[in-house]
Amino acid sequence: AQSVTQPDIHITVSEGASLELRCNYSYGATPYLFWYVQSPGQGLQLLLKYFSGDTLVQGIKGFEAEFKRSQSSFNLRKPSVHWSDAAEYFCAVGSNTGNQFYFGTGTSLTVIP
Amino acid sequence: ETGVTQSPTHLIKTRGQQVTLRCSSQSGHNTVSWYQQALGQGPQFIFQYYREEENGRGNFPPRFSGLQFPNYSSELNVNALELDDSALYLCASSLARQGRNTEAFFGQGTRLTVV
Repeated sequence: AQSVTQPDIHITVSEGASLELRCNYSYGATPYLFWYVQSPGQGLQLLLKYFSGDTLVQGIKGFEAEFKRSQSSFNLRKPSVHWSDAAEYFCAVGSNTGNQFYFGTGTSLTVIP
Repeated sequence: ETGVTQSPTHLIKTRGQQVTLRCSSQSGHNTVSWYQQALGQGPQFIFQYYREEENGRGNFPPRFSGLQFPNYSSELNVNALELDDSALYLCASSLARQGRNTEAFFGQGTRLTVV
């Protein structure tokens, strides 16, 4: 069965510091992987996605993620965090049919000046 | 900004009542999915509609039902509301191609409160 684990419930970083949010997945085939961001009371915005090919994917707002099959991971990174990055981040795995997504429980990011 | 719109944005209902939530898909998309996001949780898949037919369902009881219309807009209906149904309900639209997942675009959600 598909599942996603985000081990860090909450992370606090200083503005300008680097960021890494962890995501581990369980899926029986080649996964389709996504990172979404959610601001308070809002819907989900797609940051980046991995379907195949280059395991390092670039997204919007300066984010990137690396797919590591051997570790079943898809960690999200940003070299320098901005105060506007404070939000909830969700990792998701998509089924290869039917466009169904399985989300992790999310990581809440706080950015301090 | 995506083209997925949901209405209403907020709703308060009494336990036992019925509710209908609406979603307009992004232009050109043929698939709509609904998710329930309880406070502090990730979204949970309710069901999906593809070309007006249900195309997958998560672990939700039959009192959660839906429709997709010829213009690919969609409704989520919940009967006999329970307090635990209080959540943010998210609609996602996508262009499904056989055998291949594509990215989904989410609406802003409907915040349902059951009292």
